[in-house]
Amino acid sequence: GNSVTQMEGPVTLSEEAFLTINCTYTATGYPSLFWYVQYPGEGLQLLLKATKADDKGSNKGFEATYRKETTSFHLEKGSVQVSDSAVYFCALGISGNTGKLIFGQGTTLQVKP
Amino acid sequence: SAVISQKPSRDICQRGTSLTIQCQVDSQVTMMFWYRQQPGQSLTLIATANQGSEATYESGFVIDKFPISRPNLTFSTLTVSNMSPEDSSIYLCSVGDRNYGYTFGSGTRLTVV
Repeated sequence: GNSVTQMEGPVTLSEEAFLTINCTYTATGYPSLFWYVQYPGEGLQLLLKATKADDKGSNKGFEATYRKETTSFHLEKGSVQVSDSAVYFCALGISGNTGKLIFGQGTTLQVKP
Repeated sequence: SAVISQKPSRDICQRGTSLTIQCQVDSQVTMMFWYRQQPGQSLTLIATANQGSEATYESGFVIDKFPISRPNLTFSTLTVSNMSPEDSSIYLCSVGDRNYGYTFGSGTRLTVV
């Protein structure tokens, strides 16, 4: 079946530290992959996406590369800020026309000054 | 990307009653999606709403509990019926596709007492 596994949180980092949040998936066909962010008290926002193998999504200093060989889509940022504190969700858009998104369990990131 | 207006933003309801959540999109879309986010959990798809046809429900969700209307290509409602405290969650609507990504409404935070 289709599923997404994220590294467990919370992740606590100091400002300017390097961030990696691991995401691996299981899927049939050729899924699209997404990272969403949910800031405290706010809705879900699309952070970046990749629609095929070897695509790199990037936004606001965050990057993730669609690795079909390792079925992974790890989120990285070179230097985190306090304002990056949020919950990050990896999600899988399955093949076909269903439009269904399958979410990972979410990883809470706390960045300390 | 589409802009979604969702309301109410929050509500506190008595058990046994029903609440209808509305989502209005600023453009015509074929499919609208309804998700539930239980406290501290990830998002789970409830159903997909297509205009002019019955909604398609995911395993574990039934029409009697979560009736959905889709009267036109820009609007949908989700009703949470005969509520119990276990229905306390954030409910979100979404539109989009696997190539361009999905936009979410700001969510309805429901508390059942």
